[in-house]
Amino acid sequence: DADVTQTPRNRITKTGKRIMLECSQTKGHDRMYWYRQDPGLGLRLIYYSFDVKDINKGEISDGYSVSRQAQAKFSLSLESAIPNQTALYFCATSDIGKQGDEQFFGPGTRLTVL
Amino acid sequence: RKEVEQDPGPFNVPEGATVAFNCTYSNSASQSFFWYRQDCRKEPKLLMSVYSSGNEDGRFTAQLNRASQYISLLIRDSKLSDSATYLCVVNTRFYGGSQGNLIFGKGTKLSVKP
Repeated sequence: DADVTQTPRNRITKTGKRIMLECSQTKGHDRMYWYRQDPGLGLRLIYYSFDVKDINKGEISDGYSVSRQAQAKFSLSLESAIPNQTALYFCATSDIGKQGDEQFFGPGTRLTVL
Repeated sequence: RKEVEQDPGPFNVPEGATVAFNCTYSNSASQSFFWYRQDCRKEPKLLMSVYSSGNEDGRFTAQLNRASQYISLLIRDSKLSDSATYLCVVNTRFYGGSQGNLIFGKGTKLSVKP
């Protein structure tokens, strides 16, 4: 079984709809992240959380919100989706400590907003 | 100047060729450096960390020059399976030692042809 899972894997929605992307991990890591990837722009950080009570904005948080429901779960919401939020979304986790810099990514969610 | 810049690519090389990727970073306080590999439509995965003394893992050699703020990845005897996008990644720790966030380059696409 995958250590970091994301649901759904693909989603097509319409402008103005509320969308939630979910991420779960079995690695026991405290730190979780949400990124989006666009062609030609690379990976950009949306939000990150260093533990259940900690939420931080990343580079491009406008239009997004997150919830850290438990150590293992971190969800990303688009309250009112717009077409320029069409992208590939990745969740990632990392551990505290010597190897803490390595991030482990989920398989991604491909979101299309029409 | 962008925080992490890479050769734009794509690199198209024959099997057995040696290929080098270059990367520069703008923040002199950066402390950790990595190369990630991303296959088409897949999640990024850590290929190797990069140390000041240089490090080698089989056909792959990574080098770091802190004075020039330059990172490189050399792939020798390239294989068809090396075809992927290679991401240069830098972590800048916050003052006080807490973990910073990873900054990803846009990636360089490598295609190895038979």
